Amino acid sequence: EAGVAQSPRYKIIEKRQSVAFWCNPISGHATLYWYQQILGQGPKLLIQFQNNGVVDDSQLPKDRFSAERLKGVDSTLKIQPAKLEDSAVYLCASSLAGGRVVPQYFGPGTRLTVL
Amino acid sequence: AQKVTQAQTEISVVEKEDVTLDCVYETRDTTYYLFWYKQPPSGELVFLIRRNSFDEQNEISGRYSWNFQKSTSSFNFTITASQVVDSAVYFCALGSTSGTYKYIFGTGTRLKVLA
Repeated sequence: EAGVAQSPRYKIIEKRQSVAFWCNPISGHATLYWYQQILGQGPKLLIQFQNNGVVDDSQLPKDRFSAERLKGVDSTLKIQPAKLEDSAVYLCASSLAGGRVVPQYFGPGTRLTVL
Repeated sequence: AQKVTQAQTEISVVEKEDVTLDCVYETRDTTYYLFWYKQPPSGELVFLIRRNSFDEQNEISGRYSWNFQKSTSSFNFTITASQVVDSAVYFCALGSTSGTYKYIFGTGTRLKVLA
């Protein structure tokens, strides 16, 4: 069974530029998550989707970050405009249902460097 | 408030030594779940184990074992006879079934197993 796919793996941009990340979850997984992992820290949830609806986006900086999950399958996360402090690894994860109490399966992440 | 503390930032052991990774959590929920994930250098978090708050039985899986003690709010992870391939960052996480609590990760413990 294929795992969670993410692209690109690496991205370098200058501050104030825009960037988008893509995620394709494990087939059949209804719940999709985007996390931000700053170097030396644990992952921090940015947004959680159940099918194509948003369940939790309380920690998403909505002035610059946006995410969508059209058709309840793959998802994109966008940052516009990027700031230096957005440099991090962006992890996508998926799970069968519910989310909070079930194991999540993670992709390899996208490492973003903002110069 | 919910919190997960992994006080050990980095641990180095020599191959074949046993090592214990500590995890202390805080929650007001009576029902919750605890997780351990492994993040190897490739970056992809790998699910290792989930325990619910009503099951305090210790669990063993090969060289891995977990000790859950509600009295001390701890969920420690022991690797017996460590191997170089165990080198990774290990995260403890807490998930709640109520309220708006999120899936909270600790800051991780970097384990280096030296040959």
